[in-house]
Amino acid sequence: GIQVEQSPPDLILQEGANSTLRCNFSDSVNNLQWFHQNPWGQLINLFYIPSGTKQNGRLSATTVATERYSLLYISSSQTTDSGVYFCAAGTYKYIFGTGTRLKVLA
Amino acid sequence: DAGVTQSPTHLIKTRGQHVTLRCSPISGHKSVSWYQQVLGQGPQFIFQYYEKEERGRGNFPDRFSARQFPNYSSELNVNALLLGDSALYLCASSFVGEPWNTGELFFGEGSRLTVL
Repeated sequence: GIQVEQSPPDLILQEGANSTLRCNFSDSVNNLQWFHQNPWGQLINLFYIPSGTKQNGRLSATTVATERYSLLYISSSQTTDSGVYFCAAGTYKYIFGTGTRLKVLA
Repeated sequence: DAGVTQSPTHLIKTRGQHVTLRCSPISGHKSVSWYQQVLGQGPQFIFQYYEKEERGRGNFPDRFSARQFPNYSSELNVNALLLGDSALYLCASSFVGEPWNTGELFFGEGSRLTVL
């Protein structure tokens, strides 16, 4: 089955710094999403991006489907960006990576 | 517009009991998927239903079952609860549900189950 790997597993930043989160997937997929999980457990949709590039404010994402990876960029990080970021990829079912735990310090 | 709603939000059960979790999808969405998230891990796929038919099942024992109703809401049932079933159970809905493509998922806030 499809395997999804995320890196780095943990990341600590000073407020205002930029970061790049990476997601590698092992097979062709129809769907790829990035989520931010808040402290209460809800998965917040960031991007649905099976291919191409999208931007939403300080966040942007790029998926290169032919090379089986996706990147999530966070610019000018804020303390509210803290939490766990998940990449998930698949067809009828999504396989989630193990997440990147981000902590932004004031 | 209302998002995906789940109930109950929190519940505590004892080993051997049975639990039913409920999910209402976003209006217009015909596909519902269930995921289990154990503390410290990413969510794992349990079931997908589309137009009231099971379209996919993850690697979970037969103690786990689900169904989808004519209004597209769904229930997840777990029998003979074990301590290891303690987890956050997440429901997601999507507009499409073909076997090869479920489309973008929208998750509810989850039901946090504790088994004592």
